[in-house]
Amino acid sequence: KNEVEQSPQNLTAQEGEFITINCSYSVGISALHWLQQHPGGGIVSLFMLSSGKKKHGRLIATINIQEKHSSLHITASHPRDSAVYICAVTYSGGGADGLTFGKGTHLIIQP
Amino acid sequence: GAVVSQHPSWVICKSGTSVKIECRSLDFQATTMFWYRQFPKQSLMLMATSNEGSKATYEQGVEKDKFLINHASLTLSTLTVTSAHPEDSSFYICSARLAGLGYNEQFFGPGTRLTVL
Repeated sequence: KNEVEQSPQNLTAQEGEFITINCSYSVGISALHWLQQHPGGGIVSLFMLSSGKKKHGRLIATINIQEKHSSLHITASHPRDSAVYICAVTYSGGGADGLTFGKGTHLIIQP
Repeated sequence: GAVVSQHPSWVICKSGTSVKIECRSLDFQATTMFWYRQFPKQSLMLMATSNEGSKATYEQGVEKDKFLINHASLTLSTLTVTSAHPEDSSFYICSARLAGLGYNEQFFGPGTRLTVL
């Protein structure tokens, strides 16, 4: 079964801390996405990766294709970063690009 | 750029009625759109892939006769939940694929929260 595993499931940290969220998957992928979901449900795409590392502001995403693992880092975390962060993949070899999602990491940044 | 809208943002309906949800790509053309749903405290699940001008491709376990998908234009896909029941209450999200030479991304709509009484 193609699965996407995220850890931790829940994370509470103090403002300013460095945050790491991990994602692992089981078979070959063509792309990995990091998404942010706010309490109202809306989803924002943060990154799409197929190799290496990407940075946008305080967010950094890395992927290791050989180890089938990706991490999302948040530097200088802020309460507004509180959200659910979701890892999702597009599996290679399939005809469609529909995403398979992890269960998400519920992040709370306390002031 | 790359904005996707959904309408309505929420809907409450009686059991047995049908509900139509629209997904529009506002500033780009999308040959492929995807429909996902999310039950409370669960992860998003792909329901179907909507291809402009052709039949949708449904994931295993999703009833095509219950969840009717129409992708009549390059900017609009609709999902109709027919004869809705309380177990269909969920958060439905669409995404639109923007692809070209060297890029392939999905942009998500804000979602539609369906409550069936």
